[in-house]
Amino acid sequence: DAGVIQSPRHEVTEMGQEVTLRCKPISGHDYLFWYRQTMMRGLELLIYFNNNVPIDDSGMPEDRFSAKMPNASFSTLKIQPSEPRDSAVYFCASTPRVPGTGANVLTFGAGSRLTVL
Amino acid sequence: AQSVAQPEDQVNVAEGNPLTVKCTYSVSGNPYLFWYVQYPNRGLQFLLKYITGDNLVKGSYGFEAEFNKSQTSFHLKKPSALVSDSALYFCAVRANQAGTALIFGKGTTLSVSS
Repeated sequence: DAGVIQSPRHEVTEMGQEVTLRCKPISGHDYLFWYRQTMMRGLELLIYFNNNVPIDDSGMPEDRFSAKMPNASFSTLKIQPSEPRDSAVYFCASTPRVPGTGANVLTFGAGSRLTVL
Repeated sequence: AQSVAQPEDQVNVAEGNPLTVKCTYSVSGNPYLFWYVQYPNRGLQFLLKYITGDNLVKGSYGFEAEFNKSQTSFHLKKPSALVSDSALYFCAVRANQAGTALIFGKGTTLSVSS
């Protein structure tokens, strides 16, 4: 398996533009997570999905952020309009379902580095 | 709410010396604890986890972690550090009792000098 695939790896855009980050989880993984990493705030959980359904989006910073998972092999995180404070590395991760535990190991993608000028 | 704290932003050790990266936790219910490592321009990689059982957990690359319930700690250790161990290390806890998501600490940069 190629692991969790994220694109683009780097994105530079201007304030006000729409940004779309993409993620392909590992085949067979039922859970997909979006995290954001910044120097100031560390790693923050933004949203996660189970079987393509959003379970918890309480970490999404504001309405400018939205995430979708139209099928088991694809998810997007969209920022519209983007602002300089959105500059960060955005990680996608996935994990299989292990009933009754919650001890799942997350596999992370390489991340998408976003710079908003 | 579940949380973890990593009190040190940076840990410096000489190659060959033992290393410890500290983590304390605050949870309701059973603590499911994890350590991940991040190398530059890479995603996080799993090192080890504690769910139940022995307090000393062994993981990848010679790392181990000791779960201490009375001190609510889960420190990462390695008997002999390598320069290649230099990276950013994250402690994490399960976000809630029934969930799968993880809450991460702010991370500790480990620097191993030759």
